Parts: sequence; C-alpha cells; structure tokens
Amino acid sequence: DTGVSQDPRHKITKRGQNVTFRCDPISEHNRLYWYRQTLGQGPEFLTYFQNEAQLEKSRLLSDRFSAERPKGSFSTLEIQRTEQGDSAMYLCASSLQGIDEKLFFGSGTQLSVL
Amino acid sequence: QQQVKQSPQSLIVQKGGISIINCAYENTAFDYFPWYQQFPGKGPALLIAIRPDVSEKKEGRFTISFNKSAKQFSLHIMDSQPGDSATYFCAASGSARQLTFGSGTQLTVLP
Repeated sequence: DTGVSQDPRHKITKRGQNVTFRCDPISEHNRLYWYRQTLGQGPEFLTYFQNEAQLEKSRLLSDRFSAERPKGSFSTLEIQRTEQGDSAMYLCASSLQGIDEKLFFGSGTQLSVL
Repeated sequence: QQQVKQSPQSLIVQKGGISIINCAYENTAFDYFPWYQQFPGKGPALLIAIRPDVSEKKEGRFTISFNKSAKQFSLHIMDSQPGDSATYFCAASGSARQLTFGSGTQLTVLP
C-alpha cells in the first residue's frame, strides 16, 4: 500500500493553456474523489467516481473542467483554457465503499496559472 | 445548508496543554464527522471520526465530542505536543462521503 499518488506535484502554466493531472488511488479502493484547496481554506469537493462511473459533480465545477476514470483505477483531471482563478492545490482522495468508509488523500498537485 | 463553520482560525497552546477546536453544521442529513490534520505541502490525513449515534469518541490523545441537538462537534487534543502543530479541519458528509470541510484551524504548540 503506497497510498494515493498524484502527478505532477507542481504545475506552472500560462493562462489559456490546458493542463492534466493524474491520480493513482489505493489499489483496492473503488471510490475516487477530486477536491480543490486554496490557501487558508478547507478542501472543496469537485467530483467523485465509483469505479469508472462519475456519480457527482459540484455545481462549482465549470465546463472547462473534466475528469475521467476509464478503467476504474487511475483518474485524470483536465482543465481547459486555464484562468488565474484556477490556481490552487488539486487533491485526490480514494476510499473503499462501506460502513466504516475513510477517505485517504494524496499530497496534491499545486497549480499556478500565470 | 452545506456549510460547516469552524473556530478558532488559529490557536496557540503550551506544550502539555489542551487544544480545543469547534465546529458547527447546518445540514441535518450529515451522518459522518471526521477531523483531518494537514501539514504544509501534504494532503489532509484522517485523525478521528464520529457518527451522530454517540456523543464522544476517544483515540489516544484525540477526542471528539458531539452534540446532535446543537449541531456542534469539537476536537480535543490532550497533552498537546509541538509535533501536533498543523492545520486541523473538521468535515461532515452524508451517505456519499462527499465531505464538506470547515475553513481550518492553524494550531501552534509552543515547546
């Protein structure tokens, strides 16, 4: 068990460019979540998957954001036409569905949009 | 209705003291209340969690107190240590485990 892995750890991009982040969850976990965290704030829910199905998306998630989990394992989060307001830490978490379900977070991808 | 309010924003405690962080929620559908600890540059790590059918849960030096009627819950850190210095987040969720986080408390434990 190597925990939740996210790549890259840091990404600097220019406004208007597209970026893609990857998340590898804990291997036996069937649920995967994406959160966004800005400085001095708690993480904010973006979307989650159960296996390969995307079950919920936040109303705050603009059309420029898309996430996939094609085989129910790793997931990607793409942001198109980045804006300066997209600068944040993007966190991935995974869990095993159940009564005593616990979310385990990765270390995140820090995005800076110049 | 989804908001979780956390206080204080920052807290300074002497080594060996008790750290207390409070949270309040509005959504009565919430049924799971975890606390997370976050160090700089790291993701949040689960510390302890409680369900509304119990009023208190203790794990080592960490205790959650839960008041269902007041829709409030708190984290107590006993015998606080400098290594406990971190940001603490309360959170709440319903059945989907989509967590709603508080705004965080930056705890500093002085040696």
